[in-house]
Amino acid sequence: ETGVTQSPTHLIKTRGQQVTLRCSSQSGHNTVSWYQQALGQGPQFIFQYYREEENGRGNFPPRFSGLQFPNYSSELNVNALELDDSALYLCASSPTSGVPVAQYFGPGTRLLVL
Amino acid sequence: AQSVTQPDIHITVSEGASLELRCNYSYGATPYLFWYVQSPGQGLQLLLKYFSGDTLVQGIKGFEAEFKRSQSSFNLRKPSVHWSDAAEYFCAVGPNFGNEKLTFGTGTRLTIIP
Repeated sequence: ETGVTQSPTHLIKTRGQQVTLRCSSQSGHNTVSWYQQALGQGPQFIFQYYREEENGRGNFPPRFSGLQFPNYSSELNVNALELDDSALYLCASSPTSGVPVAQYFGPGTRLLVL
Repeated sequence: AQSVTQPDIHITVSEGASLELRCNYSYGATPYLFWYVQSPGQGLQLLLKYFSGDTLVQGIKGFEAEFKRSQSSFNLRKPSVHWSDAAEYFCAVGPNFGNEKLTFGTGTRLTIIP
C-alpha cells in the first residue's frame, strides 16, 4: 500500500511568484487536506478537498487555492508569494469525509520564499 | 472554537525512563483526539487516536494516551523511552462531525539522554 506522497520535496521561490505543490493520496483515500507548518509551530489547516470540491477552509487568503483530481490527487497553488509563506506544506489524506477517521500525512514540501 | 494547548515546549528524559506529554483541549462537545510524531525534516506519523469508548487508547511504538473529559486532557505516555523516540510530538483535536480541520498544538520537543 502506497502512502501519501508529495512533490517537490524542496522549493525556493522569490516574493511575488506563484507556486504549485502536488500531493498523491494514499490508496483508497478520497479526501485530501492541506496544512501549513511554520518553523517551530504546529500545522495550520488550509483547506480540505472531498470529491473534487472544497470541503472546509481555514483562515488563509484567497491567493491560496487548490484542486482535487478524479484520481483524488491534489494541488495547492499559492499566488503572489510573500516571505511569510515560507513553511513546510503538508498534505494529508483520509478514507472519507463526515465520519471519524484519522488523517495520514505525507513528508511535506519545504518552501522558502526569498 | 477548538484549540489545543501543549504546555511543555521541550522535555528531556533519560533513556529507559517513563514519559508523559501533556495535552489540554478546548471543544464544545466530545472531540476526536490524536497524537502525531514528527522526526526532523519529516512529515507527521499518527501514533494513536481517540474517537469514543475506552478512554485509554493504545498506539504504535508502545505509546498510550488517556482521555479525561473532566480535565479536558489527552496526555501521552510511554513506560520506557528509547533513543529513537526523540522527536516533536503534536496533539490535535478534530470536530466530532467529521474529519475536516484538525487543530494542532504547538508541539513538545522530546530529547532523550543516555
